Amino acid sequence: SAVISQKPSRDICQRGTSLTIQCQVDSQVTMMFWYRQQPGQSLTLIATANQGSEATYESGFVIDKFPISRPNLTFSTLTVSNMSPEDSSIYLCSVETNQETQYFGPGTRLLVL
Amino acid sequence: DAKTTQPPSMDCAEGRAANLPCNHSTISGNEYVYWYRQIHSQGPQYIIHGLKNNETNEMASLIITEDRKSSTLILPHATLRDTAVYYCIVRVAFGKVIFGPGTSLSVIP
Repeated sequence: SAVISQKPSRDICQRGTSLTIQCQVDSQVTMMFWYRQQPGQSLTLIATANQGSEATYESGFVIDKFPISRPNLTFSTLTVSNMSPEDSSIYLCSVETNQETQYFGPGTRLLVL
Repeated sequence: DAKTTQPPSMDCAEGRAANLPCNHSTISGNEYVYWYRQIHSQGPQYIIHGLKNNETNEMASLIITEDRKSSTLILPHATLRDTAVYYCIVRVAFGKVIFGPGTSLSVIP
């Protein structure tokens, strides 16, 4: 398995501002992912964070709104830009291990006022 | 879109076996069946996965039908701490994990 931490665990932000969420894993992994979970909903994949290249975004998500960095094999960041109340969600990162299994971080709970 | 169909909710008496069904009639030969659960807004927790053989670990058992079009996750002795949303997912190895709405399991004292 993999131990994943996220910072911050929660935050309350004003509309129009940006928040950067960090994801740290305790071992080197090839694939890291970012998900969003809106209130009362299931998880939606935002993008795959690729090490050394630009992230791959899913339909409905764009780099200007959700820029992602992946500077090395253990760390990634997701920025939620120019936030609005509709961005209030739980944001989760996950990693793919060589056991063909994805493990998830604890999530970052974001409330935008 | 998710490739699986699950009942939206189920109840189970504490101490009894919880049997959670999942239909995946369009599963491909190289796709695995994975189960995760999410306990009240925590990050999803991996439970078990399998390709075509039944699997068992310390948390649960996974029974996959011979035609692989459906499966059942079995929690042998459900406790209150097993109350969660359970997600059945099919994917190729190292492929995307696409979540459906899952099954909300309530374990009742």
